Amino acid sequence: EVQLLESGGHLVLPGESLRLSCAASGFPFSSYAMTWVRQAPGKGLEWVATIGGDGYTKYYTDSVKGRFTISRDNAKSTVSLQMSTLTADDTAIYFCAKERERGSTGDFFDYWGQGTQVTVSS
Amino acid sequence: DIEMTQSLSTLSASVGDRVTITCRASRSVSMWLAWYQQKPGKAPKLLMYATSTLESGVPSRFSGSGFGTEFTLTISSLHPDDVATYYCQQYDDHVGLTFGGGTKVEI
Repeated sequence: EVQLLESGGHLVLPGESLRLSCAASGFPFSSYAMTWVRQAPGKGLEWVATIGGDGYTKYYTDSVKGRFTISRDNAKSTVSLQMSTLTADDTAIYFCAKERERGSTGDFFDYWGQGTQVTVSS
Repeated sequence: DIEMTQSLSTLSASVGDRVTITCRASRSVSMWLAWYQQKPGKAPKLLMYATSTLESGVPSRFSGSGFGTEFTLTISSLHPDDVATYYCQQYDDHVGLTFGGGTKVEI
């Protein structure tokens, strides 16, 4: 059974940094790209970042480029999102998601975690 | 970035109704469109991909159609369990994935 479990969400001050993690199990982790998607309170889904199975290919939405870094540890089956210079606009539930198609990067997602809440407020 | 527009933010229907949700892309995404269902407090669930391919385990009352810039998700007979928000997502642009704003289906 595929499981994705996010952690690391917190209340932080504007300008601070935060690291989110997602622990994966139940599938050959290194064969699949992984993605972070966020959802601001009462809003829709927003793609944030994707990392290829090998960890080299990385894509980011424009609003987080230069501030967020996605990474993965295939030995531990974890994907992380290092977030810096956080603003109120980054307040959201952050979901970790697995791409459905083996070997592809930047597609659609068949499994999602339950999300972790990030709140940026003074 | 490709902008995805779901013109209806809320749709009200009755049990048993045929429900159609539309999604429009700002430029052609060919057939590379997925649909998700999200219930309150839950993670999204994949319903459909490649416009019309039903994900395993999804009821056959769900269907998808379209190509290029115009897409629809149809529920042939609305069930109470279908109350949710539905999102389209394009993946033609692999480096700039985008979602529609969502359509909330109410009974």
